Formats: sequence, C-alpha cells, structure tokens
Amino acid sequence: DVKVTQSSRYLVKRTGEKVFLECVQDMDHENMFWYRQDPGLGLRLIYFSYDVKMKEKGDIPEGYSVSREKKERFSLILESASTNQTSMYLCASINQGSGNTIYFGEGSWLTVV
Amino acid sequence: GEDVEQSLFLSVREGDSSVINCTYTDSSSTYLYWYKQEPGAGLQLLTYIFSNMDMKQDQRLTVLLNKKDKHLSLRIADTQTGDSAIYFCAERTDYKLSFGAGTTVTVRA
Repeated sequence: DVKVTQSSRYLVKRTGEKVFLECVQDMDHENMFWYRQDPGLGLRLIYFSYDVKMKEKGDIPEGYSVSREKKERFSLILESASTNQTSMYLCASINQGSGNTIYFGEGSWLTVV
Repeated sequence: GEDVEQSLFLSVREGDSSVINCTYTDSSSTYLYWYKQEPGAGLQLLTYIFSNMDMKQDQRLTVLLNKKDKHLSLRIADTQTGDSAIYFCAERTDYKLSFGAGTTVTVRA
C-alpha cells in the first residue's frame, strides 16, 4: 500500500519561527509536490521536485523553500513564518515514468499566530 | 493555479445534469484529472483522461477533452444531493501537476 506520510497533522507556530514540514513516500517516486489549500483558491503549487536535489518553483514560492536530499523525503521550509502562511499544506507524489495515480498525504494544518 | 482555470460556482437541480468546465494552458499535458472534495474531507479521485483521448465515460461521469482548445469538462448525469462538493480539475505534464481553484457544486431539491 503506497503511503505518503506528512509528519505533522496540526501545528501552531509563532510569527517569525522557522517551520519544517516533512513528507515521506515509500514508493520510490521521482516527482514530489507541495501545495497549500485555501478556501476559494484551491490547491496552489508551492514547489515541486523531479529528482534528488532538484527543485522547481511552483506558482507561489515566495516565503518558502524546499529540500530534497533523499528521494523519499521532500521537506517544505518556512524560514520566518507569517500569519498569511496559515493554511493546510498538502504533499503529493507520482511516478514520473508511468502510471496516472497521484498519491496525497493527509495534510498538515499550520496556524501561525 | 495560474495554469488551470475553472468557474467557481455551479448550482443545479436534483436529477438534472451538471457540467463543470476547465481550461488549461500546457499543450504537453499527459493526464488530466477530476477530483471531488466534500466538506472536511480529503481529495477523492473521480476520474482521469489520458491526453490522447477525446472522451471517457464511467457510470454517471463523462469527461470530454478538446486538446485544440485546451478545454476539459466533467458531466455528471442525474445529479444527486450527494454530488454537492468542490470539484477540482488538475493537469499533469512530465514534471508538474497543477490544480484549478475548484468549482463548488450545489445541488438543490
């Protein structure tokens, strides 16, 4: 059973704190993605990665960075959290070469106070 | 996302057909997806279509793809109250996966 695991379901952080959101998949997928989901805005792509140490900016990368040191792990970093980064963060992975299935994590609810 | 656009709201009478539309920008799309999200729940894959297909039917769902116009639609026949949800269109290229903002479908009696 494929799993995409996000390490934290619910977090509350203070403005200015550094925040790490971890995502791990166990199917040797090349492609991994980080989204945030906000009401009325859908899923907006923050960053994606198609291989180890490779990363590409999505539609809203400002205020975020990512790390892909190992194939199975894709981390989203908020260097200095702000209240407008309060959101639900969703990780996803897919197999680059074949297959049509997108695997999602359960989501991480981040509140910045 | 910027690459995928959908209308935000659709209201439909129970028993009628619903048609949700989506436009995308990348002509190198490989797969296009429709997801459903009910309140408080995660994303549920409804159906997908490979980019070399024009149509796909799955029970009450019909997906139409017009590659020339980069237009995707989802038709739900005999819409029921349980179909009330947000519907997301998604476009996949070799490396990127982009979602629309979602269409909120409200089914009225």
